[in-house]
Amino acid sequence: GDSVTQMEGPVTLSEEAFLTINCTYTATGYPSLFWYVQYPGEGLQLLLKATKADDKGSNKGFEATYRKETTSFHLEKGSVQVSDSAVYFCALTKRNAGNMLTFGGGTRLMVKP
Amino acid sequence: NAGVTQTPKFQVLKTGQSMTLQCAQDMNHEYMSWYRQDPGMGLRLIHYSVGAGITDQGEVPNGYNVSRSTTEDFPLRLLSAAPSQTSVYFCASRTGPAGTQYFGPGTRLLVL
Repeated sequence: GDSVTQMEGPVTLSEEAFLTINCTYTATGYPSLFWYVQYPGEGLQLLLKATKADDKGSNKGFEATYRKETTSFHLEKGSVQVSDSAVYFCALTKRNAGNMLTFGGGTRLMVKP
Repeated sequence: NAGVTQTPKFQVLKTGQSMTLQCAQDMNHEYMSWYRQDPGMGLRLIHYSVGAGITDQGEVPNGYNVSRSTTEDFPLRLLSAAPSQTSVYFCASRTGPAGTQYFGPGTRLLVL
């Protein structure tokens, strides 16, 4: 079945450091790919998405590019802030099973001042 | 708009007890779903619905029941709680297959 694999955390960075969180997927067909963010005590919020190969999703300084050749969707940000501290989830959907999301295990990011 | 609301926020049950987790949305979304979140495992789909009167199983449906009598509400029932059902439960909704998924704030359940 479909699956999503993320790098294990926690990832600890200093403010203004460069962030990369790796995400790879296994799926037949052509999934859509997503990054969700979960701040402490809250539900998940959509951060960005890409629906086809070579698409780049971006939001709030975060970017991720849909790489079909490497089945990857790595999340990057050039300069993190303390307010970016959260858990980040990579996910995919396909046009079956109601297009429901398959999530990776999540990566906790901690940014220190 | 309140978005997706869930009640209760926190619940403690004893093994064998039953309860219903409530979920409601006021965005007129057709698609609704329930996930559980366990450490290191991300979110796993329990049940989902693509419209009133239509439900289907997700990845981990055992021990849970759902119904969808209205567009707004999608309750999740635990028939006989087990310690393995200790988790954080999230309800979500969206307009359709390509719509953005909106999540509720979650219900933290502890089964003793």
